[in-house]
Amino acid sequence: DIQMTQSPSTLSASVGDRVTITCRASQSISSWLAWYQQKPGKAPKLLIYKASSLEGGVPSRFGGSGSGTEFTLTISSLQPDDYATYYCQQYNSYPLTFGGGTKVEIK
Amino acid sequence: QVQLVESGGGVVQPGRSLRLSCAASGFAFTDYGMHWVRKAPGKGLEWVAFISYDGSGQYYADSVKGRFTISSDNSKNTLYLQMNGLRGEDTAVYYCAKARGLSTLTNVLDYWGQGTLVTVSS
Repeated sequence: DIQMTQSPSTLSASVGDRVTITCRASQSISSWLAWYQQKPGKAPKLLIYKASSLEGGVPSRFGGSGSGTEFTLTISSLQPDDYATYYCQQYNSYPLTFGGGTKVEIK
Repeated sequence: QVQLVESGGGVVQPGRSLRLSCAASGFAFTDYGMHWVRKAPGKGLEWVAFISYDGSGQYYADSVKGRFTISSDNSKNTLYLQMNGLRGEDTAVYYCAKARGLSTLTNVLDYWGQGTLVTVSS
């Protein structure tokens, strides 16, 4: 199985900050990576797929990059609505696997 | 608009069975694969199972293989998850989710339900 490791697990940031979350795969997954945002008690929301393709309706302050085994999710200017937990997910092969999550907290 | 509504969760004793349902609307159910994903208390997301748009393919996480069965009824636009031999570690909120598309987009999950809580406890 492909293991997905996210860092950091928790991140404290202020409104307006640039935020970067890293996701590493235990083996190459090409660009078959998605990012999701989840708020407490809510369903996850797709942000990015194929490592860097922005899902429709997602603000342009969200960006994804990387390929192979190293990926990043960047929020260019953190907004109050962005405080949430973020997960990466590989879809190179079954079983699909998620990273452990990164909780973005208010500093 | 796309709507996914899960039901069937509850409290169940270890070793017993439960069937979850996910009623879909707002899209052509027969054109998309569907997934189940769960989130245990205090833990992250865990993918559980997938069924292809035509029902011909199913895939499972190792943790549920042989105990859970994913199925769908296209006449009812409904996805199911039959869970047998439940264990404490199966306690979680279970979400159904729609595949974003075919081919390489099959395993990108673009719409999710609100989830149904399954608690396995004696």
